[in-house]
Amino acid sequence: DTAVSQTPKYLVTQMGNDKSIKCEQNLGHDTMYWYKQDSKKFLKIMFSYNNKELIINETVPNRFSPKSPDKAHLNLHINSLELGDSAVYFCASSPPSADTQYFGPGTRLTVL
Amino acid sequence: GQQVMQIPQYQHVQEGEDFTTYCNSSTTLSNIQWYKQRPGGHPVFLIQLVKSGEVKKQKRLTFQFGEAKKNSSLHITATQTTDVGTYFCALYQGGKLIFGQGTELSVKP
Repeated sequence: DTAVSQTPKYLVTQMGNDKSIKCEQNLGHDTMYWYKQDSKKFLKIMFSYNNKELIINETVPNRFSPKSPDKAHLNLHINSLELGDSAVYFCASSPPSADTQYFGPGTRLTVL
Repeated sequence: GQQVMQIPQYQHVQEGEDFTTYCNSSTTLSNIQWYKQRPGGHPVFLIQLVKSGEVKKQKRLTFQFGEAKKNSSLHITATQTTDVGTYFCALYQGGKLIFGQGTELSVKP
């Protein structure tokens, strides 16, 4: 009965590769997010979707493309991976008219 | 955009000692949220403050929102090893969370 789940938990890949991270929430929330946490633990919003519609795109490179097939899923595809993309990526969701966010377990991406 | 500054970056305490982390802004905050992230874990919502001078308690944790709504603090009384982790303040604005830099708390048994 996991609330927000992400796969994979760990991802190790070479520079230049393309990879995807998947996120699913079973909370019935309308809004989902992607956050990036760098090596200094700083958390920054990347994208948010409301009911499959892109709401926030926080000046993220075009190599990052989120996709929301339905309001319970938000995936993140990254093209041409760079060393600087190494980080922990968190998916989150929030209910309507509420500010609280529920985070997934995170995906640790390492680009070699 | 609005930013929240959090201090200290690190705090090492002996078990049983108190701990406080501070969150500051140069402009008035409409709200402030606090999250805890255990080592290797994900941020978990603790509380939200919205009213000037608000004080909320959760067992050994006390959260305050300043009278001017420009600062907030989280105080832990008599820390335990289970308190270890990084504590973040965050402003909810424009449909997103703007996080402070976090305070990493380590507790020596």
